[in-house]
Amino acid sequence: AQSVTQLGSHVSVSEGALVLLRCNYSSSVPPYLFWYVQYPNQGLQLLLKYTTGATLVKGINGFEAEFKKSETSFHLTKPSAHMSDAAEYFCAVSPRSGGYNKLIFGAGTRLAVHP
Amino acid sequence: EAGVVQSPRYKIIEKKQPVAFWCNPISGHNTLYWYLQNLGQGPELLIRYENEEAVDDSQLPKDRFSAERLKGVDSTLKIQPAELGDSAVYLCASGDSSSFSGTDTQYFGPGTRLTVL
Repeated sequence: AQSVTQLGSHVSVSEGALVLLRCNYSSSVPPYLFWYVQYPNQGLQLLLKYTTGATLVKGINGFEAEFKKSETSFHLTKPSAHMSDAAEYFCAVSPRSGGYNKLIFGAGTRLAVHP
Repeated sequence: EAGVVQSPRYKIIEKKQPVAFWCNPISGHNTLYWYLQNLGQGPELLIRYENEEAVDDSQLPKDRFSAERLKGVDSTLKIQPAELGDSAVYLCASGDSSSFSGTDTQYFGPGTRLTVL
């Protein structure tokens, strides 16, 4: 069965520092890959997704993620953290096998940004 | 463009009481999803609709949960009777599967936070 592992339930960075949130998936066939962000008391907002083509995907708010098949990873990065980036981040996958397949979410990583 | 609308935003009830949540998807979206999000976890799919048809309800606990999307637009999720373990956030999402690329991008509402006492 498909699964998603997000390493580190809490990540803390200084404002201006690199943000790196880790996501690994388990699947023999690379799935569709997503990153969502959830601000307090709000729903999830799509940051970026990988379906096909270029493995480096750019999203909103300066975030990007790189699909690495050999490492079964889809880590999320941002060169310089801003206070407004503090939120919960979810990695999600959707299997590629024919027709519709549901999103499977990781447990989430809470990002704290301190001055 | 208006996003996914959910109401109520917060609900507190006593166990064994019924409760209902309402969702209005983004205009034109044919797919609608209900998710359960427990504290400190990612969302888990309860049910997926394509228009008015429930195409995936395998994770919906049908002994106490029910859902409907009668006209293929807005949807209601009901719990009867509620149990203490149902305390969670219930998220609704919608998407457009017409431009099929293997999966439709889902847009989430703000959720309903349910507390069962």
